[in-house]
Amino acid sequence: EVQLMQSGAEVKKPGESLKISCKGSGYSFTDYWISWVRQMPGKGLEWMGRIDPSDSYIDYGPSFQGHVTISTAKSISTAYLQWSSLKASDTGMYFCVRHVNGDHIDFWGQGTLVTVSS
Amino acid sequence: QLVLTQSPSASASLGASVTLTCTLSSGHSRYAIAWHQQQPEKGPRYLMKIGSDGRHNKGDGIPDRFSGSSSGAERYLTISSLQSEDEADYYCQTWGTGIQVFGGGTKVTVL
Repeated sequence: EVQLMQSGAEVKKPGESLKISCKGSGYSFTDYWISWVRQMPGKGLEWMGRIDPSDSYIDYGPSFQGHVTISTAKSISTAYLQWSSLKASDTGMYFCVRHVNGDHIDFWGQGTLVTVSS
Repeated sequence: QLVLTQSPSASASLGASVTLTCTLSSGHSRYAIAWHQQQPEKGPRYLMKIGSDGRHNKGDGIPDRFSGSSSGAERYLTISSLQSEDEADYYCQTWGTGIQVFGGGTKVTVL
């Protein structure tokens, strides 16, 4: 059974750093890209960026380049999304997703809720 | 610029059918798309991929009453025999070199 298991909800203060994770199982982790998708409260889906776990090649969405860092540890089938200095506007739900053939998304993680508040 | 356009809302009665439209931006009419469903308070799930020729392949466990088709730059998702659990937000998604794009989503209300 394919699973993308994400780390638990986080509550942080502005300026703090954060790294959330997404562990893939039930498939060959390096055969599929992983993307991160943001959903702000009451809003739609926004693509943040993707990584190819086989070679760690990364593309970032224009709105997220320079604001987040995507990485993987393929030895443990895990992808990460990282912030060095959170803002209140980073509050939202973050989903990791799997891509088939580098194109469409065919599987979603359960989401990680990030709340940034002073 | 690769953009997907969706109507914000749609509604139909229980047991009826509804068709959602996702429109590709000019110059991108041959792109494939995928549809995803997000029920209230849940994460999204993949429904199907639709090519420019209308051929589609569904995700595991997606009921037969969900179907897809294409015409020009438009990609459609039809839900037949609407059930209460079909009340959800539906997003289309496409991809290009180095980029993934989501439509704004359509909220489906079952009357």
